[in-house]
Amino acid sequence: EVYLVESGGGLVKPGGSLRLSCAASGFTFGDHSMNWVRRAPGKGLEWISSISTRSSYIYYADSVRGRFTISRDNARNSLSLQMDSLRAEDTAIYYCARDRPYAIGTDYYFYMDVWGKGTTVTVSS
Amino acid sequence: DTVMTQSPLSLPVTPGEPASISCRSSQSLLHSNGHNYLDWFLQKPGESPQLLIYLGSNRASGVPDRFSGSGSGTDFTLKISSVEAEDVGVYYCMQARQTPPTFGGGTRVEIK
Repeated sequence: EVYLVESGGGLVKPGGSLRLSCAASGFTFGDHSMNWVRRAPGKGLEWISSISTRSSYIYYADSVRGRFTISRDNARNSLSLQMDSLRAEDTAIYYCARDRPYAIGTDYYFYMDVWGKGTTVTVSS
Repeated sequence: DTVMTQSPLSLPVTPGEPASISCRSSQSLLHSNGHNYLDWFLQKPGESPQLLIYLGSNRASGVPDRFSGSGSGTDFTLKISSVEAEDVGVYYCMQARQTPPTFGGGTRVEIK
């Protein structure tokens, strides 16, 4: 069975750093691009970053660009999110999500078909 | 960024009755390949989001056929033909036509 398990969340002071991890199992991790999505308390879902299979393509939301760094280790089936210069507004549950490719002619559409249970990040003094 | 607007914000439903959620995008989600780059997710209480519909109208694996997605361009609808108690939660539409992907604000479905 396919699993994604996040870890690394916790309580951190404003300006501090945290590194989240997502352990993948049950599928060929290196064949899938991956995402981080968060949900702040009382708010909706927010996509924050994605990384392609070989790390060639990396994207960030404006809200985290320059502060967060996504990376992956295909040999270890692991996705990471390094979070620096944390702010109160970064308080949220962070989910990793797998992209599944769907072929349309010679192109692909990617949709987030598997999600982890999430890890909670609280930024507070 | 493409803005996604859902309505209603809250939807009280009676089990066995149909339900409908609207999602509008600020830009067309119709790709030149003829597909609409829109997905629907459900986040049940205490759980992580789960995919319901991709490309506007394709049900994800394991999703009951009471769920259906329709629409094109900027106007989309998620329909539940006969609501069950397990369908409660927050429903989100998400566009993937432009980067960054953006979610609607969510529609909370609750049992009357």
